[in-house]
Amino acid sequence: NAGVTQTPKFRILKIGQSMTLQCTQDMNHNYMYWYRQDPGMGLKLIYYSVGAGITDKGEVPNGYNVSRSTTEDFPLRLELAAPSQTSVYFCASVLGTTSSYNSPLHFGNGTRLTVT
Amino acid sequence: AQSVTQLDSHVSVSEGTPVLLRCNYSSSYSPSLFWYVQHPNKGLQLLLKYTSAATLVKGINGFEAEFKKSETSFHLTKPSAHMSDAAEYFCVSYGGTSYGKLTFGQGTILTVHP
Repeated sequence: NAGVTQTPKFRILKIGQSMTLQCTQDMNHNYMYWYRQDPGMGLKLIYYSVGAGITDKGEVPNGYNVSRSTTEDFPLRLELAAPSQTSVYFCASVLGTTSSYNSPLHFGNGTRLTVT
Repeated sequence: AQSVTQLDSHVSVSEGTPVLLRCNYSSSYSPSLFWYVQHPNKGLQLLLKYTSAATLVKGINGFEAEFKKSETSFHLTKPSAHMSDAAEYFCVSYGGTSYGKLTFGQGTILTVHP
């Protein structure tokens, strides 16, 4: 199994450009998450999904969109890139229920995005 | 709402001395709790998890954590630090009314001196 795969690993965007961060997992996990990590701030939840066709906002959803058309894929879309979106983005997945996780949370290796 | 507070942003120890990374949680019930480690320019790796089966949880690389409901704490310890333990550590909670959501602490950077 490849686990959680994120692409690209690095990207530089100009202000106002758009892009999609790809995330795919091959473990048949129902829950998937997008986080951004900024120095000294921990990880902030952007969006999450508890199954195909179901998505919900996290703590910092503004400027982002997601979709979950399949169990495997959970892309994150930036429509109008801003310098404040410069960050490291992590995708994660897990097999879960409402009360617990039934497997370890798996993280991708991250996408380092710079907006200038 | 759930919250997780890591009480130290930086911890510095000498190699061979004990490690203590502190985490307090806030919740109206007993959540599932985890510790993750992140080495520089890497993703996050699970160290250990608590899911109400046993209050003392053993993880990988000699780490362990004790769940104390009365103190709402889940501190991470290791008897003897190794240089390879230098990394950032995250305390994470999950469950209940925050359906599907993980709540991360702010992280603790562990430095290990020779």
